[in-house]
Amino acid sequence: DIQMTQSPSSLSASVGDRVTISCRASQSFSINLNWYQQKPGKAPELLIYAASSLQSGVPLRFSGSGSGTEFTLTISSLQPEDFATYFCQQTYSYPWTFGQGTKVEIK
Amino acid sequence: QVQLEESGPGLVKPSETLSLTCSVSGGSISSYYWSWIRQAPGKALEWIGFVYYSGGHNYNPSLKSRVTMSVDTSKNQVSLKLSSVTAADTAVYYCASQSWSRSYRMYYFDYWGQGSLVTVSS
Repeated sequence: DIQMTQSPSSLSASVGDRVTISCRASQSFSINLNWYQQKPGKAPELLIYAASSLQSGVPLRFSGSGSGTEFTLTISSLQPEDFATYFCQQTYSYPWTFGQGTKVEIK
Repeated sequence: QVQLEESGPGLVKPSETLSLTCSVSGGSISSYYWSWIRQAPGKALEWIGFVYYSGGHNYNPSLKSRVTMSVDTSKNQVSLKLSSVTAADTAVYYCASQSWSRSYRMYYFDYWGQGSLVTVSS
């Protein structure tokens, strides 16, 4: 199985900050990487697919980059509604696997 | 827009079979693959497997021997059965629609249900 490791596991940031979350894969693949946002008690929502493609309706402050084993989710200017947990997921090989999550908290 | 709603017993006894249903509205059940994902308390998301309306499926090897998924096109429902459950199967279970990107030749989960908490306890 491909292990997905996110860092940091949690972070504190202020509204307006630039936030970067990393996701490292145990095996290399191209861009079969998705990012999801999950708020407490809610289902995850797709933010980014194919490493850098923004899902329809997702604000432009979210962006993704990377390929191979290193991927990044960036929030250019953190907004109050962005405080949540973020997960990466690979759909390159079965079984599909998720990172353990990065919780973004208010500083 | 596709909407999904999971339903089923919230409490299952150890060694019994967990059964959940995902009701699909706002879209054709034959247009998507359907995945089940679970999240144990305080844990990461775990992909359980997917099913297609034709019966095609792919299950996570870690659960394969206990999982059965199916699609009922007449009811617009997707079902999950997990047999011989233990406390380790306690989790929120989500169904999600699985879309294929032709440009990038990859899958992603674009619509999710709200989740159904299943507790395994006697």
